[in-house]
Amino acid sequence: DIVMTQSPLSLSVSPGEPASISCRSSQSLLHSNGYKFLDWYLQRPGQSPQLLIYLGSTRASGVPDRFSGSGSGTDFTLKISRVEAEDVGVYYCMQGLQTPRTFGQGTKVEIK
Amino acid sequence: QVRLVQSGTEVKRPGASVKVSCKASGYTLTSYYMHWVRQAPGQGLEWMGIINPTGGFSTYAQKLQGRVTMTRDTSTSTVYMELSSLRYEDTAIYYCARDYGDEGLDYWGQGTLVTVSS
Repeated sequence: DIVMTQSPLSLSVSPGEPASISCRSSQSLLHSNGYKFLDWYLQRPGQSPQLLIYLGSTRASGVPDRFSGSGSGTDFTLKISRVEAEDVGVYYCMQGLQTPRTFGQGTKVEIK
Repeated sequence: QVRLVQSGTEVKRPGASVKVSCKASGYTLTSYYMHWVRQAPGQGLEWMGIINPTGGFSTYAQKLQGRVTMTRDTSTSTVYMELSSLRYEDTAIYYCARDYGDEGLDYWGQGTLVTVSS
């Protein structure tokens, strides 16, 4: 199974400041079609997870452009350019390259 | 609009079985695979398995093999996840999530809390 490792596990950010979350996979997530099968999800308190980013860097429908994703085959980053109160929650990366799908441990983001 | 509506809270004894439903609307069930993901209290997300609603074929997480069964009823656009021989550690919120091909798990159900308690 592909192991997903996130860091940090928690993050406290002042409103308007940037934030960055790292996700590392134990195997390359680069498919032969050139796409990187890495998604980012946000689970706000008391809610179901929601898709933020797919294929490593493509924002899902309705996701604000302050969220961006980047990465190579094994190292990925989610950046929030200016954190807002509604960004509070736990962020998960998930590899979509193979079954079983595997998630990172989650990164809890709170507002200072 | 796409919606995934799950069945309600369950409380079960150890050793019993639970069957959670996920009714899809706003699209054709057989057009996309469906995943099941669970979350134990205060813990992260755990992938359980995936079902192809067209043929009903499923793939399960190895740790759940033999205890989990995913099925579908295309006439009602509903997928089901049944977990047997329940243990205390199966206490969790169970989610269904639509697989939008290369574009991630784009819609999630509201979650079903399953509590295993004697």
